[in-house]
Amino acid sequence: ETGVTQTPRHLVMGMTNKKSLKCEQHLGHNAMYWYKQSAKKPLELMFVYNFKEQTENNSVPSRFSPECPNSSHLFLHLHTLQPEDSALYLCASSQADRDDGYTFGSGTRLTVV
Amino acid sequence: AQSVTQPDIHITVSEGASLELRCNYSYGATPYLFWYVQSPGQGLQLLLKYFSGDTLVQGIKGFEAEFKRSQSSFNLRKPSVHWSDAAEYFCAVTGTASKLTFGTGTRLQVTL
Repeated sequence: ETGVTQTPRHLVMGMTNKKSLKCEQHLGHNAMYWYKQSAKKPLELMFVYNFKEQTENNSVPSRFSPECPNSSHLFLHLHTLQPEDSALYLCASSQADRDDGYTFGSGTRLTVV
Repeated sequence: AQSVTQPDIHITVSEGASLELRCNYSYGATPYLFWYVQSPGQGLQLLLKYFSGDTLVQGIKGFEAEFKRSQSSFNLRKPSVHWSDAAEYFCAVTGTASKLTFGTGTRLQVTL
């Protein structure tokens, strides 16, 4: 496999559930990102990891918890979500010491019921 | 702080017509500029990028963009649009690779 892979593609969860989104990159990149894309809103950067260390958290509620066990994998753990958290969650990766832009996964469409 | 403005939320063009999507950026130094395309239910795909040098850059799928420093613009163009180009287009800017800032996107509709 190549590129950035996100699983699952679709997820429906109740407000009391706990679930995790997974992102895996096969590009040898050293930076990974979570973005939230809601209808009629700009892409929102949630978290940035450089060399497995979290370098940015854009005031994201604690019900979203990222984990980066190595430079190829990134998780987003979800618990006690709200209906307004329903969105497309996009993972991206890049080589932090180059400016080639980001490579995005296809996203996870999350619906909170 | 860097920012990107895409003034057109929605554009409709006929197949075969030319296309120009506008992008204005704000950044204190020399920016790195990108255009991405997103088909429904998909992630973002890089169309082209500008770092330095020739201000007219060529990308995939027949797209090009021109960097104009004096106007702080990086408009995307295509001479002849195909129905498959219908998608959402995002302009983005960064001064460092670790923080890419996106515009709000322009949705392109193509009529046959």
